[in-house]
Amino acid sequence: QVHLVESGGGVVQPGRSLRLSCAASGFISSYAMQWVRQAPGKGLEWVALISYDGSNRYYADSVKGRFTISRDNSNNTLHLQMNGLRADDTAVYYCAREPRGRRVFEYWGQGTLVTVSS
Amino acid sequence: EIVMTQSPATLSVSPGERATLSCRASQSVISHLAWYQQKPGQPPRLLIYGASTRATDIPARFSGSGSGTEFTLTISSLQSEDFAVYYCQQYNYWPPITFGQGTRLEIK
Repeated sequence: QVHLVESGGGVVQPGRSLRLSCAASGFISSYAMQWVRQAPGKGLEWVALISYDGSNRYYADSVKGRFTISRDNSNNTLHLQMNGLRADDTAVYYCAREPRGRRVFEYWGQGTLVTVSS
Repeated sequence: EIVMTQSPATLSVSPGERATLSCRASQSVISHLAWYQQKPGQPPRLLIYGASTRATDIPARFSGSGSGTEFTLTISSLQSEDFAVYYCQQYNYWPPITFGQGTRLEIK
């Protein structure tokens, strides 16, 4: 079983930065990990993906160039560095783990809320 | 980018009845389609992947079908705990991975 816990959310002014973390209990070092977000009252939006070893990273166009996904397999931790935050980045951010061989989201954390507001 | 369109936006069904939710892809995603259930204040829960394979511990009343561009999630004999929002997601062409806008299943 895998348990994911996000942290680092909060209220931040437009243009500022925030770093989210996702701590995993259970095995994640052989699996790709992802971030998905959900604006208040809205649907799900994929944000970023990192391969099991960190060698490949992919981003949604809406965050490309501003967000950076990274991982520390020795500490079972996933990160999302968010720079140049905008009001439309306001959302609950979930980390999620894939099952092997499928680009779906099998395990989810409870999410951390990021609010971008002046 | 593959656009996923779900219908209807809201579905009202009585407990014990069958619910049929639809998802359409803007181009073929073969069978690389997943369904999720989300209840208020909770993260989504994976129900179906590969268009028709139930995820671990998902009850048999949930079934998925379809291929190409047209997909269906069927919930037979609705239970009280099934009233939630349902999302489809394609993973054939990525990035980006894309979700439908959701169908809200409410009690009639």
